[in-house]
Amino acid sequence: GAVVSQHPSRVICKSGTSVKIECRSLDFQATTMFWYRQFPKQSLMLMATSNEGSKATYEQGVEKDKFLINHASLTLSTLTVTSAHPEDSSFYICSVALARTGELFFGEGSRLTVL
Amino acid sequence: AQKITQTQPGMFVQEKEAVTLDCTYDTSDPSYGLFWYKQPSSGEMIFLIYQGSYDQQNATEGRYSLNFQKARKSANLVISASQLGDSAMYFCAMREDGGNQFYFGTGTSLTVIP
Repeated sequence: GAVVSQHPSRVICKSGTSVKIECRSLDFQATTMFWYRQFPKQSLMLMATSNEGSKATYEQGVEKDKFLINHASLTLSTLTVTSAHPEDSSFYICSVALARTGELFFGEGSRLTVL
Repeated sequence: AQKITQTQPGMFVQEKEAVTLDCTYDTSDPSYGLFWYKQPSSGEMIFLIYQGSYDQQNATEGRYSLNFQKARKSANLVISASQLGDSAMYFCAMREDGGNQFYFGTGTSLTVIP
């Protein structure tokens, strides 16, 4: 069964609106979750590392005010794309690393289309 | 420098044949893990196989095996007896044990031909 659940899988929104994507760790508590962005036919680009109970660590070039990350519990992290624009259209995918083995489990991904 | 290099943007293989997907990596960390993931057109990332830097034997998982050549810093994925359902993007990734971040290659698109 799924270890990480991501919702919604697809979302279409109007330019200027905000969209929230949820990432849930189903099988274990996750102090750290990772958010990636993937453009068509490209690799995953790490956007930020979400830390439970503290601020997220953003990668260089990622706007923290644009991509708000909240990790309020050990099983839930959310990514909010604020004031979305068409160039934010992309595939967003979260992941959780199992501390014991280092294995990375991914959510199903969320395809965002901004009109 | 790229941490993970996948030099084959696209590969084709005949059904039931074996195929090797190349991956080289760059790290100065003595302890690290290497991973392969499959991403079908639906988008989800599916874990295939893991190789630890100190593992003496090559990892195997069913039809997947990892040809680990530490001195060459390569971790090629071998898929035996290819099936049509193997058509997907394949990503090689590395995690240095001293850090928290995963590094992904640019991926190889595999197409299995009937």
